[in-house]
Amino acid sequence: DGGITQSPKYLFRKEGQNVTLSCEQNLNHDAMYWYRQDPGQGLRLIYYSQIVNDFQKGDIAEGYSVSREKKESFPLTVTSAQKNPTAFYLCASRPPGLRSSTDTQYFGPGTRLTVL
Amino acid sequence: GENVEQHPSTLSVQEGDSAVIKCTYSDSASNYFPWYKQELGKGPQLIIDIRSNVGEKKDQRIAVTLNKTAKHFSLHITETQPEDSAVYFCAASRLSYKLIFGSGTRLLVRP
Repeated sequence: DGGITQSPKYLFRKEGQNVTLSCEQNLNHDAMYWYRQDPGQGLRLIYYSQIVNDFQKGDIAEGYSVSREKKESFPLTVTSAQKNPTAFYLCASRPPGLRSSTDTQYFGPGTRLTVL
Repeated sequence: GENVEQHPSTLSVQEGDSAVIKCTYSDSASNYFPWYKQELGKGPQLIIDIRSNVGEKKDQRIAVTLNKTAKHFSLHITETQPEDSAVYFCAASRLSYKLIFGSGTRLLVRP
């Protein structure tokens, strides 16, 4: 069964703790993304990676960190420096190549993080 | 900077009626426009997309139109059904690796 998996679905943490969200894909996609979604707002890009061992900051990278040691995995760490971490976090991936057919991003089911 | 505005933020229609959601983009170099449907508690799912060399695309009850001159594109859903109720997002891209999303439209189809 191919696709993008995110775990856990729900995550609770105390304020001041770092937390790592998992994202795995078996689609052989090169590019992976992390978005944050707040109620009533669109998706905002946190980080993205176009290839293993390389990643770039998105529009709201402050307080977050990522790694891309394997093609299949792109974990996101929400650090204590993120001032308002409670949100719905979405991971996405994009097929390889530069053809127009590879522009589409496919999303995982998301992780809802609540910081108490 | 790049921006995508989406209207309306909420839309309520009677089952069987049509629904139209509109988006306007700021970057005239944008060339790819996907639409996503997001059900409660789930990730967005691609429902249709269009490229800048095409003015209209249709897939059964769903269609998207693009007006490059005015820099806006629209999602049309005909013969709406209760299962169409969800949040719909438009997006625009001029670089294959980055999508700019609208703020979403919550569609409610009343039985």
